[in-house]
Amino acid sequence: AQSVTQLGSHVSVSEGALVLLRCNYSSSVPPYLFWYVQYPNQGLQLLLKYTSAATLVKGINGFEAEFKKSETSFHLTKPSAHMSDAAEYFCAVSEGRTSGTYKYIFGTGTRLKVLA
Amino acid sequence: DAGVTQSPTHLIKTRGQQVTLRCSPKSGHDTVSWYQQALGQGPQFIFQYYEEEERQRGNFPDRFSGHQFPNYSSELNVNALLLGDSALYLCASSYRDRETYEQYFGPGTRLTVT
Repeated sequence: AQSVTQLGSHVSVSEGALVLLRCNYSSSVPPYLFWYVQYPNQGLQLLLKYTSAATLVKGINGFEAEFKKSETSFHLTKPSAHMSDAAEYFCAVSEGRTSGTYKYIFGTGTRLKVLA
Repeated sequence: DAGVTQSPTHLIKTRGQQVTLRCSPKSGHDTVSWYQQALGQGPQFIFQYYEEEERQRGNFPDRFSGHQFPNYSSELNVNALLLGDSALYLCASSYRDRETYEQYFGPGTRLTVT
């Protein structure tokens, strides 16, 4: 069964500092992995996705994530935090068409706070 | 190009009542999935519709039902509302034949049950 674990429900960083949000997954088949961002009172916006091509994935707003199969991880990073990055971030896993399971399994989210 | 739209934005209902939420998928998408996001939690998969049929279902009771129309839009119905049904309901659309099955989310409907 698929599952996602996001370590750290709350993360605080100073403006300009490195952002690191952790995501570990479990999947019985090669997974598809996604990071979404959610601003208050809004839906989910796709930041980036891993679809078995390059292991280092670049997304919008300067974010990137690296797929590490040996560690079953897909951590999200950004070199320099901006105040506008403050939001809730969700990691999700899907087995896609490989197993006929199309649903996303989400982690519990990490709330990022950026300090001035 | 309009993205995924949902209506209404907010809804307040009383326990025991029934509610219908609506979703229009992104242009070109043929599959709609519904998720429930309780406060402080990640979204939980309710079910998915493709070709007007429920194709996959999460761990939700039969009080949750849905429908997909020929134009690919969808409805989520919840009967006999409980206080615990209070949540943000998210609709996501996608194109089924795409291998990655990337989903695009709407802004959600905030349901409050009193």
